[in-house]
Amino acid sequence: EADIYQTPRYLVIGTGKKITLECSQTMGHDKMYWYQQDPGMELHLIHYSYGVNSTEKGDLSSESTVSRIRTEHFPLTLESARPSHTSQYLCASTEVTTQETQYFGPGTRLLVL
Amino acid sequence: LAKTTQPISMDSYEGQEVNITCSHNNIATNDYITWYQQFPSQGPRFIIQGYKTKVTNEVASLFIPADRKSSTLSLPRVSLSDTAVYYCLVGDIGGYNKLIFGAGTRLAVHP
Repeated sequence: EADIYQTPRYLVIGTGKKITLECSQTMGHDKMYWYQQDPGMELHLIHYSYGVNSTEKGDLSSESTVSRIRTEHFPLTLESARPSHTSQYLCASTEVTTQETQYFGPGTRLLVL
Repeated sequence: LAKTTQPISMDSYEGQEVNITCSHNNIATNDYITWYQQFPSQGPRFIIQGYKTKVTNEVASLFIPADRKSSTLSLPRVSLSDTAVYYCLVGDIGGYNKLIFGAGTRLAVHP
């Protein structure tokens, strides 16, 4: 079982608030990812990182930002939440082996009112 | 990145074998084929990965023809708990790659 954690699991917040979604993994994985997924829809990659101080934008444009100061930690921040940010956010990390498997966290369900 | 095409949905009954086919006509030489399973309100979970021919593990088999332009995930004797979305991904593992998830196939297993 993969050791990747996300907090909070659920968040209801008002428009304009700043929020940070936490993601941590204890596996020492260099690569980490953030995906956004609306109910019943496909996953969209919004951010990824190859290691400390490395961050890249994914295929879906997002107003969120990420940081990677420590290997195990990859937080995602929304400076000013809007209802359009309502979604599920999934964090993943990758083990670099012959089978580069992505391990996913349980996700954060965000509702912006 | 190779684009994948899967059926949007499939229905099956408990105890049957389910085969989900994924088309990836533009697969590159270095690309591997990976399948994930996702239950509602959870993150995807790795099922199986292969490069060519056949791969089998404790939960599934993956069949890849010689031209590698398609692949088939085979789930033997499905149960109700196999109801989920199944994603086929194609990409070059290792290095500075990023895996792209498509729409997936919604499998519904009925009693």
